[in-house]
Amino acid sequence: GAVVSQHPSWVICKSGTSVKIECRSLDFQATTMFWYRQFPKQSLMLMATSNEGSKATYEQGVEKDKFLINHASLTLSTLTVTSAHPEDSSFYICSATGLDLYNEQFFGPGTRLTVL
Amino acid sequence: KNQVEQSPQSLIILEGKNCTLQCNYTVSPFSNLRWYKQDTGRGPVSLTIMTFSENTKSNGRYTATLDADTKQSSLHITASQLSDSASYICVVASGTYKYIFGTGTRLKVLA
Repeated sequence: GAVVSQHPSWVICKSGTSVKIECRSLDFQATTMFWYRQFPKQSLMLMATSNEGSKATYEQGVEKDKFLINHASLTLSTLTVTSAHPEDSSFYICSATGLDLYNEQFFGPGTRLTVL
Repeated sequence: KNQVEQSPQSLIILEGKNCTLQCNYTVSPFSNLRWYKQDTGRGPVSLTIMTFSENTKSNGRYTATLDADTKQSSLHITASQLSDSASYICVVASGTYKYIFGTGTRLKVLA
């Protein structure tokens, strides 16, 4: 089956620093990737959708200058949380889909971000 | 407004028992409906996917049903195991790359 990985699995950083999270499709070409955040006991909230080689489409209320998304290749997308603050602490999950995958998205294992 | 509602919000059962989770949706257009299992601190994993014309789909001890007329789906878990403890999320796909997530049902299986 299609496999998506994320790195790191967890990260702790100081307030004001930037953190980069990687999302990789290991065995398929991900033409579209999605970034979600999830707070405790809540469902996933879509942050943005990115297509390879083009700018990401952000959901309403998500600051694009704070959450920088790059999808430069068919196997890699990155989410950079700039000038992180404690309220950015959350569980970030990416998913990916591609051609011939019938619109199904495959999720990564998630990255736990804690901002001190 | 596109919505996916799940019930119950949480559920506790004894190991070996069966349970059924509910998903009601108001989504248009409808492409397909998926059930995911999400372990704590992990990403969701797909259990079943059903299109408009499918009524039932099984994956081991998991059986999903879909009634497109009433816009209801259920996920039945047979002979529950401790490892079934997780959140179960119903997701309805609407068009291309648009997914509406339910709030999930948190299942706890006790020994």
